[in-house]
Amino acid sequence: DTAVSQTPKYLVTQMGNDKSIKCEQNLGHDTMYWYKQDSKKFLKIMFSYNNKELIINETVPNRFSPKSPDKAHLNLHINSLELGDSAVYFCASSRYRVSPLHFGNGTRLTVT
Amino acid sequence: ILNVEQSPQSLHVQEGDSTNFTCSFPSSNFYALHWYRWETAKSPEALFVMTLNGDEKKKGRISATLNTKEGYSYLYIKGSQPEDSATYLCAWGGGGADGLTFGKGTHLIIQP
Repeated sequence: DTAVSQTPKYLVTQMGNDKSIKCEQNLGHDTMYWYKQDSKKFLKIMFSYNNKELIINETVPNRFSPKSPDKAHLNLHINSLELGDSAVYFCASSRYRVSPLHFGNGTRLTVT
Repeated sequence: ILNVEQSPQSLHVQEGDSTNFTCSFPSSNFYALHWYRWETAKSPEALFVMTLNGDEKKKGRISATLNTKEGYSYLYIKGSQPEDSATYLCAWGGGGADGLTFGKGTHLIIQP
């Protein structure tokens, strides 16, 4: 049983398109996150979502929006994709603020 | 800017030797320091979460210490084995925001 699963694993799309990445966790965790691994391999927080409270990293463009249909899911929608959006995106979850993160396997997004 | 610095960036160690590396982080508004192990083609896996100054955690041959007053943590690996080869990430929780700030990692290669 995969604890945090995200789909698709690979996503290749053209500039200007709108795409979504799905994330689901079966751990019963209260908080979910989206991280972006940039070209320098840094993992940077994009969003955290806890009990309907969304905290956004102010550096994230508003073309990116998380959607949480329920506690177990946090999907990432990206509008008007740009070349610079190419990266690996990781979903994660944790039970409490000080609990370890459980990561999904990542989605490699390539914008052409 | 909240910087989490890790050193060295990469490290080659002979099998059987012991090694350690450093994570430095802002000492203000601290609530947690995490260590993760990240193998190629996998997702990061949590090793330790430490919250109190002076915390020491151990898991098998790997241990970690925490100094929140001066803002650093050490990760130690005793008797390195080839399976220890991975990137080791530290992540700082603080600054009043949810989500962790990750360092760039120390890439460890164990040479047989």
